[in-house]
Amino acid sequence: DVKVTQSSRYLVKRTGEKVFLECVQDMDHENMFWYRQDPGLGLRLIYFSYDVKMKEKGDIPEGYSVSREKKERFSLILESASTNQTSMYLCASSLIPAGGNTIYFGEGSWLTVV
Amino acid sequence: QKEVEQNSGPLSVPEGAIASLNCTYSDRVSQSFFWYRQYSGKSPELIMSIYSNGDKEDGRFTAQLNKASQYVSLLIRDSQPSDSATYLCAVNGNSGYSTLTFGKGTMLLVSP
Repeated sequence: DVKVTQSSRYLVKRTGEKVFLECVQDMDHENMFWYRQDPGLGLRLIYFSYDVKMKEKGDIPEGYSVSREKKERFSLILESASTNQTSMYLCASSLIPAGGNTIYFGEGSWLTVV
Repeated sequence: QKEVEQNSGPLSVPEGAIASLNCTYSDRVSQSFFWYRQYSGKSPELIMSIYSNGDKEDGRFTAQLNKASQYVSLLIRDSQPSDSATYLCAVNGNSGYSTLTFGKGTMLLVSP
């Protein structure tokens, strides 16, 4: 089974803090994604990566950055957390482009910014 | 900007009934369509994918695609209380083939 692991399940951070959300997948997938999910807004794509050191902006990249130094690891960075970034963050991966294949989600990271 | 529209629900059905979940999408060139199930507090899990017009059946689930009408649906036969969840429709996204754009989901409630 594909396993996508998000190391931090529940975090509480203060406004202005730098926040790292880590994601690791164990199936040698090329593509990795970060989504956020909010009530009434659904799942929205923040960033994705189709190769090591490659990154592409999704639909809502403002206030976020990402890092993919190794194939299995994709990190989401909030340079200066704000209260409107309180959300559930979902990491996902897929073997080939997501439009042609299943994407697998991690269990989610619940971030509260106070 | 591609859009995927779903009725937010809740859709309430009695146990044993057929639940019908609907989704429309805006981009006529979309090629790949997925249904994910998400239980409260959990992450989405894939239940069906469909790429061609017509029906695709997998157990109690049937996905239906009509590209001319830009419409995809999910039928759940013999609905069970364990089917109570939010169902997300997804299509290949704004970045072409690489990503998925999700609808906001329809909540399904199956009463015993």
